[in-house]
Amino acid sequence: EDKVVQSPLSLVVHEGDTVTLNCSYEVTNFRSLLWYKQEKKAPTFLFMLTSSGIEKKSGRLSSILDKKELFSILNITATQTGDSAIYLCAVGATSGTYKYIFGTGTRLKVLA
Amino acid sequence: GAVVSQHPSRVICKSGTSVKIECRSLDFQATTMFWYRQFPKKSLMLMATSNEGSKATYEQGVEKDKFLINHASLTLSTLTVTSAHPEDSSFYICSASPGTEYSNQPQHFGDGTRLSIL
Repeated sequence: EDKVVQSPLSLVVHEGDTVTLNCSYEVTNFRSLLWYKQEKKAPTFLFMLTSSGIEKKSGRLSSILDKKELFSILNITATQTGDSAIYLCAVGATSGTYKYIFGTGTRLKVLA
Repeated sequence: GAVVSQHPSRVICKSGTSVKIECRSLDFQATTMFWYRQFPKKSLMLMATSNEGSKATYEQGVEKDKFLINHASLTLSTLTVTSAHPEDSSFYICSASPGTEYSNQPQHFGDGTRLSIL
């Protein structure tokens, strides 16, 4: 059975801290791994990773994929209160049909 | 680019009513769209994969007669919750990708529809 596991489930930090969010997966025919940020509405796209070892960066956020160990991390440096959200990891896989399997998410709260 | 519009954003209706939710890709064509359901403080649960011009593929445990999906064109998919009951109350989100599994482009989400059945 395909599964995506995120850890930690929740995290509370103070502004300025650096956080690392984890996503591990077991899927049939891996295609891509995506990170999303969800605040009050639908998720917004952050990164898509398809190759191992290539870091993707956007401002204070960065992510990398390890296809050998089947996991990805999302780093947020110098956190701000606006980073408070649920961070979702999704894996695109072809098991029967092409679909995305979502992890349970990591709920991040950044305190001022 | 890659904007997905979902409508309505909020529905409140009586038990027994059927509710239609629309998902449109505004600036790209989407052969495949996905419908998810999200319970409070939970992750997204894939309900079905909507394929243009063919029947939707439903995930195990999702009643196809309850959740009717129609993908009439490359830019529009609809989800109809038939004879809705309070247990159908949830946040429903659609997504679409301008690519295919082979082109590996990310999926983009609509803003979701919060359905409340009284």
